Amino acid sequence: KQEVTQIPAALSVPEGENLVLNCSFTDSAIYNLQWFRQDPGKGLTSLLLIQSSQREQTSGRLNASLDKSSGRSTLYIAASQPGDSATYLCAVSGDGGFKTIFGAGTRLFVKA
Amino acid sequence: DVKVTQSSRYLVKRTGEKVFLECVQDMDHENMFWYRQDPGLGLRLIYFSYDVKMKEKGDIPEGYSVSREKKERFSLILESASTNQTSMYLCASSLYGRLYEQYFGPGTRLTVT
Repeated sequence: KQEVTQIPAALSVPEGENLVLNCSFTDSAIYNLQWFRQDPGKGLTSLLLIQSSQREQTSGRLNASLDKSSGRSTLYIAASQPGDSATYLCAVSGDGGFKTIFGAGTRLFVKA
Repeated sequence: DVKVTQSSRYLVKRTGEKVFLECVQDMDHENMFWYRQDPGLGLRLIYFSYDVKMKEKGDIPEGYSVSREKKERFSLILESASTNQTSMYLCASSLYGRLYEQYFGPGTRLTVT
């Protein structure tokens, strides 16, 4: 059974810092991996989607990497801003199924 | 822009009540999903629907049922609400050929007392 773990559960950094969020998964037979952002009391917004054949994806100040063999992904946020404060969730999807398995998230707080 | 709306942002119900949570999407998506989100557990799939009147159980369907009579609307039903169903409920939708590119609604925070 696929399990997704995110470490740390919470993180507080000063504005301007570069930071890394970690995600690990137990079954390397994935179809894709996604990083989502969730603002308090709101739904999820997809940030980056990495197909299993890809190693990384970039969008603006965000870069996500994927190492299937080790069951790990990282989300790198450059030059963090207070507007980046949110919960970031990692999710993996298996090939041929309709289920997406989510981690519990990392709550990020960027101090001005 | 895809828009997924949920009927209530906050809902308080009593134990034993029948509860309906409604979700509507406006982009003609075939797939619709219901998740619940609890602290420390992430999102867990309750039910999935890939077409009108079609449904698949997710990981935690016990105590829930669903209804999809129209393509744009997917309802989650708690037949007899219990306190352990207090949670945030999130609806999502996606295109048939893009199963994993899900668009989420804002969520309904349900409290059962």
